[in-house]
Amino acid sequence: AQKITQTQPGMFVQEKEAVTLDCTYDTSDQSYGLFWYKQPSSGEMIFLIYQGSYDEQNATEGRYSLNFQKARKSANLVISASQLGDSAMYFCAMREGPASGGYQKVTFGTGTKLQVIP
Amino acid sequence: NAGVTQTPKFRVLKTGQSMTLLCAQDMNHEYMYWYRQDPGMGLRLIHYSVGEGTTAKGEVPDGYNVSRLKKQNFLLGLESAAPSQTSVYFCASSLPLQVHPSSTDTQYFGPGTRLTVL
Repeated sequence: AQKITQTQPGMFVQEKEAVTLDCTYDTSDQSYGLFWYKQPSSGEMIFLIYQGSYDEQNATEGRYSLNFQKARKSANLVISASQLGDSAMYFCAMREGPASGGYQKVTFGTGTKLQVIP
Repeated sequence: NAGVTQTPKFRVLKTGQSMTLLCAQDMNHEYMYWYRQDPGMGLRLIHYSVGEGTTAKGEVPDGYNVSRLKKQNFLLGLESAAPSQTSVYFCASSLPLQVHPSSTDTQYFGPGTRLTVL
């Protein structure tokens, strides 16, 4: 089974509209972290937002929010008021493993390509 | 603060040649990682290190070796390059995952190295 599943290979959104990028995860650990990264065409990986497994409130960072539904094991990224500069690949990722240190498994999804239309 | 840097940015090799990719971080992070990114496959973990002098295999370690002689450096070696190793290579670093995960667990990425093996 995939650890991180992003079911939307590509999406379009109209400028100034909101868009939701889906991410589901699979883990049996109690302690884990979920991340979203943006990769523009220039290639760098840009950290956007983080959600810890013990956080009860959804994370927000400016126009980005993470819709965390622990029971459903989903961590969807919501981008409000889309801008042309939001056109990029978006990756969901998870870190899991014993919090005491040692082995740390990091898994990335296959990404969603978002294109913002003027 | 340079963050995570990678050397070189681009390289073209012939099949059978060897090379070393250098990753350096100045954030005093314990953990360092090497990923490869191929179209449609997201990022896959090659090797990682949880501290100076320790390394471990990730998801796709075959054909690569690593060394972590200094805390701030993580080297990725290709002893005999193959066309299948044509990819974009990313280095990342992070703090250990906390008992209660926090945003400080974020991985910070280098700019990437684009490697072509002919």
